Amino acid sequence: GESVGLHLPTLSVQEGDNSIINCAYSNSASDYFIWYKQESGKGPQFIIDIRSNMDKRQGQRVTVLLNKTVKHLSLQIAATQPGDSAVYFCAENNAGNMLTFGGGTRLMVKP
Amino acid sequence: GAGVSQTPSNKVTEKGKYVELRCDPISGHTALYWYRQSLGQGPEFLIYFQGTGAADDSGLPNDRFFAVRPEGSVSTLKIQRTERGDSAVYLCASSPLGGSNSPLHFGNGTRLTVT
Repeated sequence: GESVGLHLPTLSVQEGDNSIINCAYSNSASDYFIWYKQESGKGPQFIIDIRSNMDKRQGQRVTVLLNKTVKHLSLQIAATQPGDSAVYFCAENNAGNMLTFGGGTRLMVKP
Repeated sequence: GAGVSQTPSNKVTEKGKYVELRCDPISGHTALYWYRQSLGQGPEFLIYFQGTGAADDSGLPNDRFFAVRPEGSVSTLKIQRTERGDSAVYLCASSPLGGSNSPLHFGNGTRLTVT
């Protein structure tokens, strides 16, 4: 399959450390946000979502933070593992019936 | 359970040819989306189906692109007179309800290469 993320911003972390991936969204009217993980040759995989009436949501090893004042979204991954290496995209529902994706960040986990 | 299935996984065609890309959504999902992803970029919306009808086709780049979903399940994306700039990964996604407030479940895409 296609290899995505050849020219994306890259975050390199040591295995076991925490990772923080940031995303700036465009539309203050957006009220739903999702983080996706994409491995090479695969489609985006849902990680976690958050609605605009919340500022924090936790899943298993992942936390999403939403700051509506500055239109900023972050994904925190605790105890990062080699299997977390992938490209991460944030998406917002800023227009009509579809989700709009950001440009993505490549996470590389060093053993 | 079975996820979204896309066929073929890879398609190489010559400039000017016609191609069809197929998507089998998750059973019972009423909403179906097509996105296109170029190298190093996030997916870009093409078209959205709610049931059999195209509820939003505002992302289709031009009239060479067309998609159908005749029975409200399988969808086919059709590209006429392909151009080299059409080369990308074409992703299909489905959702139980549709709209823009629920997560999309993506297939692994069809990698289209136009030579």
